[in-house]
Amino acid sequence: SQKIEQNSEALNIQEGKTATLTCNYTNYSPAYLQWYRQDPGRGPVFLLLIRENEKEKRKERLKVTFDTTLKQSLFHITASQPADSATYLCAPPIYNQGGKLIFGQGTELSVKP
Amino acid sequence: NAGVTQTPKFQVLKTGQSMTLQCAQDMNHNSMYWYRQDPGMGLRLIYYSASEGTTDKGEVPNGYNVSRLNKREFSLRLESAAPSQTSVYFCASIPGQGSYEQYFGPGTRLTVT
Repeated sequence: SQKIEQNSEALNIQEGKTATLTCNYTNYSPAYLQWYRQDPGRGPVFLLLIRENEKEKRKERLKVTFDTTLKQSLFHITASQPADSATYLCAPPIYNQGGKLIFGQGTELSVKP
Repeated sequence: NAGVTQTPKFQVLKTGQSMTLQCAQDMNHNSMYWYRQDPGMGLRLIYYSASEGTTDKGEVPNGYNVSRLNKREFSLRLESAAPSQTSVYFCASIPGQGSYEQYFGPGTRLTVT
């Protein structure tokens, strides 16, 4: 069955550094993968979608890569700020069924000033 | 635009009681989803509605029913609440037609005693 794995351990970094979060998937090849941000007590917020034919996608300080050979997506935040502290979720579609997603457990990022 | 709204924000039920969680979106989205989020489990899909008039089971549908009342509203009903249904419930919608990013509501925190 499909499996999505994100680092369960929290990531602590210093302000100004680049944060790199990992999402690994097994047993299938998604056509795209999404990344969301979730703050405590709030619903997830969509950040980026990357398709299987895109190696890299950028949005302001965010960069996502998609390596279909390694079955891995990396999510980078450059010049990180304390306001970037949140939990980040990766979500590929369920067996490529349109909008239905399977969510990873998320990685908590803490950026210290 | 209010986006996706959910009511209530918090609810405490006794075992065996019933209740309906309400969700509405004002973005003219076709598809709507109900998730539950538990610590260490990530977001899990309960039910979804690809379009008005259709509903389908997700990963964890047991103990729940849904109604897609119209294009705007998608409700989730617990007929006989159990402590295992203590969770945070999120509703989401997607634009469809090739756009798959999900827009989430603020969530309902439900405790069943």
